[in-house]
Amino acid sequence: ETGVTQTPRHLVMGMTNKKSLKCEQHLGHNAMYWYKQSAKKPLELMFVYSLEERVENNSVPSRFSPECPNSSHLFLHLHTLQPEDSALYLCASSQDWGETQYFGPGTRLLVL
Amino acid sequence: DQQVKQNSPSLSVQEGRISILNCDYTNSMFDYFLWYKKYPAEGPTFLISISSIKDKNEDGRFTVFLNKSAKHLSLHIVPSQPGDSAVYFCAAYDSGGSNYKLTFGKGTLLTVNP
Repeated sequence: ETGVTQTPRHLVMGMTNKKSLKCEQHLGHNAMYWYKQSAKKPLELMFVYSLEERVENNSVPSRFSPECPNSSHLFLHLHTLQPEDSALYLCASSQDWGETQYFGPGTRLLVL
Repeated sequence: DQQVKQNSPSLSVQEGRISILNCDYTNSMFDYFLWYKKYPAEGPTFLISISSIKDKNEDGRFTVFLNKSAKHLSLHIVPSQPGDSAVYFCAAYDSGGSNYKLTFGKGTLLTVNP
């Protein structure tokens, strides 16, 4: 596997479910990111981890809970989501202080 | 308030001609700009970038121009190919501030017709 991978690629969940999105990067990067892309909106940064520490939380509701167990893996734990949380969730990684972020293919989430 | 704006949601161009995608920004602290390309069902892919110390950067068929006084940048694709059909996102960040926060535009859908 190369680059940034995300699983699952598609997810349908009810509002009472708990699920997790997984991201893995094979680029040796030290920073990882979660973005949300809703229809007709720009990509919105949700969380940033650098060297496994969260450095930014962009006012994201607590029903989204990130976890970064090591520099290669990033999770987004989801619980009691709302239908408006339906979106494409993208993971990215970059080198320290790196301007260029490399994105995974995204997880298309539908909350019913 | 959107700090990075791509005012054209879509653009259609004939194969072999030039595609020009535009992007405007409002935050004068932005000093590094990137273009990403996104195909359906894939994540954005980095295409080309430019630092504010330059006004032009070229990579093969892709050239990015930066006009700092107008807070405007553009991506030129010459010659355009059908495989270039995708959504193009402009992104910017302030290297003196948070090194992690890229601000994206909404994207422009480019269609290159054979």
